[in-house]
Amino acid sequence: ETGVTQTPRHLVMGMTNKKSLKCEQHLGHNAMYWYKQSAKKPLELMFVYSLEERVENNSVPSRFSPECPNSSHLFLHLHTLQPEDSALYLCASSQTPRSGTGLADTQYFGPGTRLTVL
Amino acid sequence: AQSVTQLDSHVSVSEGTPVLLRCNYSSSYSPSLFWYVQHPNKGLQLLLKYTSAATLVKGINGFEAEFKKSETSFHLTKPSAHMSDAAEYFCVVSDHSSASKIIFGSGTRLSIRP
Repeated sequence: ETGVTQTPRHLVMGMTNKKSLKCEQHLGHNAMYWYKQSAKKPLELMFVYSLEERVENNSVPSRFSPECPNSSHLFLHLHTLQPEDSALYLCASSQTPRSGTGLADTQYFGPGTRLTVL
Repeated sequence: AQSVTQLDSHVSVSEGTPVLLRCNYSSSYSPSLFWYVQHPNKGLQLLLKYTSAATLVKGINGFEAEFKKSETSFHLTKPSAHMSDAAEYFCVVSDHSSASKIIFGSGTRLSIRP
């Protein structure tokens, strides 16, 4: 678990706030992922970056904005969120077998950020 | 289209008894299959994965899973449950074509009775 770190671990924000979630991987991987985990729902893939290029964006609202400045860091910028966005946000990384696809190998997950939107 | 179904949302067993967590999948390709475990307030950790090698896959903490193509199943088992096994377990299917084709099951919560 220490291979992928996420900060903060808990975040409470109002609907008008702007905040950012941070993820850092220390595994030398070339792909990073954001997932949303809500109660009683399957894990939802939000974004994938492979070799610092965004390769997947699964119809996520524009109030979520990812940023991947290098292969070790991934951010999720949040603004004007809604209460239904409250969830556990998980970051993961993997070493992709092919460039540009960003997937299908073992993913290593961080501990998540528990987000509450008031 | 791919899908994965975890047949039980909650399984409860006594400590020392066998564990069976069921997973069925559908895939148009030869899939990779994974089991992940999530302890409370933690991220997901890989237990084991199947990638078209041996059909019986051994993982960490005494867990194993058997890929049965004829039954499209990938059930997770452990001969003897331990209290520390209490967690949420996710079955995952991937067809390698893109990240959006990594499909997580809805999870099975495993409880262990003393």
